[in-house]
Formats: sequence, structure tokens, C-alpha cells
Amino acid sequence: QSAPTQPASVSGSPGQSITISCTGTSSDVGAYKYYVSWYQQHPGKVPKLLIYNANSRPSGVSDRFSGSKSGNTASLTISGLQPDDEADYYCLSLTASNTLLFGAGTKLTVL
Amino acid sequence: QITLKESGPTQVKRTQTLTLTCTFSGFSLSMDGMGVGWVRQPPGKALEWLALIYWDDNKVYSPSLKNRLTVTKDTSRNQVVLTMTNMDPVDTATYYCAHRDFGEYFFHYWGQGTLVTVSS
Repeated sequence: QSAPTQPASVSGSPGQSITISCTGTSSDVGAYKYYVSWYQQHPGKVPKLLIYNANSRPSGVSDRFSGSKSGNTASLTISGLQPDDEADYYCLSLTASNTLLFGAGTKLTVL
Repeated sequence: QITLKESGPTQVKRTQTLTLTCTFSGFSLSMDGMGVGWVRQPPGKALEWLALIYWDDNKVYSPSLKNRLTVTKDTSRNQVVLTMTNMDPVDTATYYCAHRDFGEYFFHYWGQGTLVTVSS
């Protein structure tokens, strides 16, 4: 079972928008319509839930973060980039076997 | 308010068995739909999901580690225990436990994590 593919790194300037993809298979990312979540992790910190059920935001998470999903690919979009957005980002999906699977992770650099 | 905290040894030797305890508050594992998951992260590497135990004692394990993992719960103590056998230096990682709510397949609440180093 391979980790869904995420770009190793993405970058953007303050104020810009970026999108991070999470591409898997019909057995993981594509197995269910909604069961993908996204996490932000700053160095040395605990992962923080940003998006759940593909496109829902928990209370307290900025609306600059949005999620979408189509087939075997989920995406996280961050608009209006801020310096504090510089972090690692991970997708998590429920697989067809009802196990969970993290993506490979993406390092976001805010230039 | 939901909180979780991992505890256990900071160092184990190769081939030994690791036992970690997750002590939580703010929910009960006797409540329908509740669950506690385990996630680990080797230094500088990606998150890896390990296991999930549900309120009804159903357990799900990572396919790649299934033969080495056991997760149990003690509802009266609000604790979940993860054991991993035959530890190897590649298992050096920060181990997290996290809360799973009814019908959810994501983790909103996480413990602070505990770093376990495996020496050869």
C-alpha cells in the first residue's frame, strides 16, 4: 500500500494562492467520496486538522484554507498566503479496506 | 474539552517490545462511535498511520505493520495501549495518539507525541 502522492515541495509569495494535490488510487483517495482530511504541521509541532470530509473546515480554521476532491485526487488550496503558512501539509484518506493512509507530505515555502 | 497524552519509554533496544499508553479525557471509549488512533513520524519524515481501536473493541491496523502491532483499551481508566514487537532503529519516531469521533475518519484532537528512540 503506497502513500498517495503529494508534491514534495511547493512555494508561493505572500498574498498568492497555492494548491497541493494528493493523488492516490481507487483503493485509497478514490475509495470514498468524502473521507479525505488535510493537516498542517509546523516543525516540532503536533499536526493540526485543516480540512475534513474533503471540503469542510473545523471551527477556528481560516477560510483561506479550502479543500476539494475529484476521483482519485484531493486538493488543498491556500489563498492569500501568509508567512505562518510555511509548514508541512499531509492528506489522510480512508481506504477501501477501512484502514487509514497518509500522503507523502508537502513542504510549503512562503518566499 | 478533549485531551490526550502519550506515555512510555523514551528508549528501547533493538528486538524489544515497545508499549505506549495513551491517557485521555473529555470522552469515553464506551460511547458509540468513539475511537483512538495511533500515528507515528520518524525524524524528518512523513506521518504514518498505525492503528485504530473503536468503542466496540474493533481494531484496524496498518497492513504493513499488522503483524507487529496490538492495540487494546481500558475503558475504566480512559486508556489505550499500543504494543509494537521486534523494534528496530527504523522505528525511531514520535508516536502520537489521536481522537476519533462518531462517523469520522480524521483526527481533530491529538496528543503531544512522545519520541521513542530505538538503539542497536
